[in-house]
Amino acid sequence: GIQVEQSPPDLILQEGANSTLRCNFSDSVNNLQWFHQNPWGQLINLFYIPSGTKQNGRLSATTVATERYSLLYISSSQTTDSGVYFCAVESYNTDKLIFGTGTRLQVFP
Amino acid sequence: ETGVTQTPRHLVMGMTNKKSLKCEQHLGHNAMYWYKQSAKKPLELMFVYNFKEQTENNSVPSRFSPECPNSSHLFLHLHTLQPEDSALYLCASSQDGTNLYEQYFGPGTRLTVT
Repeated sequence: GIQVEQSPPDLILQEGANSTLRCNFSDSVNNLQWFHQNPWGQLINLFYIPSGTKQNGRLSATTVATERYSLLYISSSQTTDSGVYFCAVESYNTDKLIFGTGTRLQVFP
Repeated sequence: ETGVTQTPRHLVMGMTNKKSLKCEQHLGHNAMYWYKQSAKKPLELMFVYNFKEQTENNSVPSRFSPECPNSSHLFLHLHTLQPEDSALYLCASSQDGTNLYEQYFGPGTRLTVT
C-alpha cells in the first residue's frame, strides 16, 4: 500500500519563528489533507490540497503531486500552534485515508 | 451542535463490560468512519459506511461491532475488550466514500480498558 512519511518527527520552536513540515508519499494521490491534532485529541482540518498551493492566515501548504510531496508552512508561530501535525493521503486505487506518523511541534514563549 | 460530535468523551470499562460509542454528524454527509489511534502509532482506519452500507472492515476483531442506522449516526459497540484496545477512537465523516472529498473528525472518545 501507499507509504506516507513525515519529517521532522519533532520540532521545537520559539514563538515567532517560521517552520516547514514535509510529507512524502509513495504513490499518486487524489486526496491529501493536513490536520492539526490539539492536546485534547481533536483533529482539526487545515488544508485539503491534493495539488497546488493554498494559504490560510499564517499557514500555507503546497503539494507537488508529480514529485509526491507536500509542505506545510507555519509562519510567526504561536504557542497555540503546539500539537501534532498529520498528513493523510488517499491514492487513486483505494478509498482509505492513510495517515503519516506526524510531526510533533512545541512552541515556547 | 455543528460538525461531528462524539459521546462519551472518556470511557473506562472492564474487560467483561459492554459499552457503545456514539458519533453524530451535522454536515449532511453520506459517509462515516471509525478510526483508532493508539499511543505512538498512526491513525488506523477501522470501518467505513457509505450511504449506511458498510464498505470497509479493516480486519477489525469481532469484539468491535459497528452500526450505522442512518447517514447521520454511527455507533461502535464494544464487548469483552482487551487492555490493548485502550486508545483514542475517532469518528469522521465526508460527503461520500470516494476519495474526492475531505474528511472531518469528531473530538474522539478516549477509552481505557482495565
